[in-house]
Amino acid sequence: DADVTQTPRNRITKTGKRIMLECSQTKGHDRMYWYRQDPGLGLRLIYYSFDVKDINKGEISDGYSVSRQAQAKFSLSLESAIPNQTALYFCATSDLSQAKETQYFGPGTRLLVL
Amino acid sequence: AQKVTQAQTEISVVEKEDVTLDCVYETRDTTYYLFWYKQPPSGELVFLIRRNSFDEQNEISGRYSWNFQKSTSSFNFTITASQVVDSAVYFCALSEGGGGEKLTFGTGTRLTIIP
Repeated sequence: DADVTQTPRNRITKTGKRIMLECSQTKGHDRMYWYRQDPGLGLRLIYYSFDVKDINKGEISDGYSVSRQAQAKFSLSLESAIPNQTALYFCATSDLSQAKETQYFGPGTRLLVL
Repeated sequence: AQKVTQAQTEISVVEKEDVTLDCVYETRDTTYYLFWYKQPPSGELVFLIRRNSFDEQNEISGRYSWNFQKSTSSFNFTITASQVVDSAVYFCALSEGGGGEKLTFGTGTRLTIIP
């Protein structure tokens, strides 16, 4: 089984709809992240969480919210989706206790907002 | 603010040729970490290497090698004897301070290996 899973893997929604992307991990990591990838722009950080009680905005948090329901779960919500939120979304995890902390990514969620 | 530049948007080489992917970074910190990730056509991101700013030793892993030069703020990636399976988008990334948090990614280089 994959260490970092994302659901759904693909989603089509309409402008104005609220949607949630979910991320779960079995790696036991304390830190979790949400990124979006747009063609030609690389990955940009949306939100990150260093533990269940810690939520931080990233580079492009406007229009998004997150919830860290448990150490293993980190959800990303689009309260009112708009077409320019069409992108590939990645969840990632890392472990501060590791001597060589590295982020490991989930398989991604392709979101299309019509 | 930190920045990562991958000036090569797309590269195509014939199978078995060597290819180098460039990565130039900007940071004001003396402690930082550099990463390379591979994104194959299936879309997932695969971790390749992590290097800290105090370790300028070059690293080799099979056909992959990395050249870290602080003097030019570069962390280049070379694939020797390229194979079709190397076709992917490669991202260079930078993290300041403690380690893996808050990665700043370059825009990626799409590498196509022609059979």
